[in-house]
Amino acid sequence: DAKTTQPNSMESNEEEPVHLPCNHSTISGTDYIHWYRQLPSQGPEYVIHGLTSNVNNRMASLAIAEDRKSSTLILHRATLRDAAVYYCILRDHSNAGNMLTFGGGTRLMVKP
Amino acid sequence: EAGVTQFPSHSVIEKGQTVTLRCDPISGHDNLYWYRRVMGKEIKFLLHFVKESKQDESGMPNNRFLAERTGGTYSTLKVQPAELEDSGVYFCASSRGGSYNSPLHFGNGTRLTVT
Repeated sequence: DAKTTQPNSMESNEEEPVHLPCNHSTISGTDYIHWYRQLPSQGPEYVIHGLTSNVNNRMASLAIAEDRKSSTLILHRATLRDAAVYYCILRDHSNAGNMLTFGGGTRLMVKP
Repeated sequence: EAGVTQFPSHSVIEKGQTVTLRCDPISGHDNLYWYRRVMGKEIKFLLHFVKESKQDESGMPNNRFLAERTGGTYSTLKVQPAELEDSGVYFCASSRGGSYNSPLHFGNGTRLTVT
């Protein structure tokens, strides 16, 4: 799997938007960009995924650069419950059943 | 729908003993995965079942680890004999399909401590 690069940690204030960046300069044409997060003492949780177009769901938005070499996960209003480690993962859709390859992720801290 | 459940949530065993971890996937999910995080490291893939068949077991560290999924329902992961370096958190996940469009649903993990 292509590698992703994320900042180790970020801080945000409660009720403010958060932009979590991810670089994936070696992304291939068959890679989807997936985001998962892991809250304390829980397993990873799916957040969102996309290929080329920006995506929105009830949890977050995903903005994908035109050249697909980077993406940004957007939490529109951070809450204390959003404090977690966020993982940006490339998943090859040409290889059905491909496992997820986790990196170090970004630890998001939310201040009240 | 009930989520992925794992049992036990914690296990403390001595080096050389045997431990069996259990995972109950979400009903109807044919794909079942095992992952683990050992101390200070990243979450690593162990293996993937499709129904009762092992699709990919490239991440299994050695032959002390045995995973089964009889009948394509729940799965067990046995470590025999356990070593100190096996300590960590073992996660199970399931998905309806195996493609990029099928998100994985993870359990809360089993924390294994080998002393």
